[in-house]
Amino acid sequence: KAGVTQTPRYLIKTRGQQVTLSCSPISGHRSVSWYQQTPGQGLQFLFEYFSETQRNKGNFPGRFSGRQFSNSRSEMNVSTLELGDSALYLCASSFDRPGTEAFFGQGTRLTVV
Amino acid sequence: DQQVKQNSPSLSVQEGRISILNCDYTNSMFDYFLWYKKYPAEGPTFLISISSIKDKNEDGRFTVFLNKSAKHLSLHIVPSQPGDSAVYFCAARNNAGNMLTFGGGTRLMVKP
Repeated sequence: KAGVTQTPRYLIKTRGQQVTLSCSPISGHRSVSWYQQTPGQGLQFLFEYFSETQRNKGNFPGRFSGRQFSNSRSEMNVSTLELGDSALYLCASSFDRPGTEAFFGQGTRLTVV
Repeated sequence: DQQVKQNSPSLSVQEGRISILNCDYTNSMFDYFLWYKKYPAEGPTFLISISSIKDKNEDGRFTVFLNKSAKHLSLHIVPSQPGDSAVYFCAARNNAGNMLTFGGGTRLMVKP
């Protein structure tokens, strides 16, 4: 059974550019969440998508957005990149029922220069 | 405010002994708790979880204990192995979806 797949694994962008990251969840998982990990802030929740609808949103500026497609694949977009956006971006997928675990992908390492 | 806290940034244990990692939370709405193991530049790997209706869950060398009145959970690893060396995160979820709130992590070092 394939795990959560995130692409690309590494990305270098320039300040002011925008970036799109992709996440393919485990087959059958309809909930996809995104997290940002930085040395100073730890693992922080960005947003969750379920059935193509954003269900929860973390405390991030509007430059961070996402979407989910009918096959449950998800993308997140960051516009007008800032140096502080450099981080490991993680995607997690899960079934949508109580008592189920979230499984993470390998992450995308974004470096903004 | 930090709703989930891991007060020990690091822990060093001898191989074969018990490792105990602790986690405290403040939000009474959390109903499911998970432990993850993480290596640098990789995604967290799920280890074990516990529902708020239980006080203990065991899976091989890993046992998680939940004390709801104290809003405290702990992960016990017995016996500890050098391959267990990693950063361990506790996470909590409420019933409003699958959003996880993470603690700051504890770096476990198991010495041979």
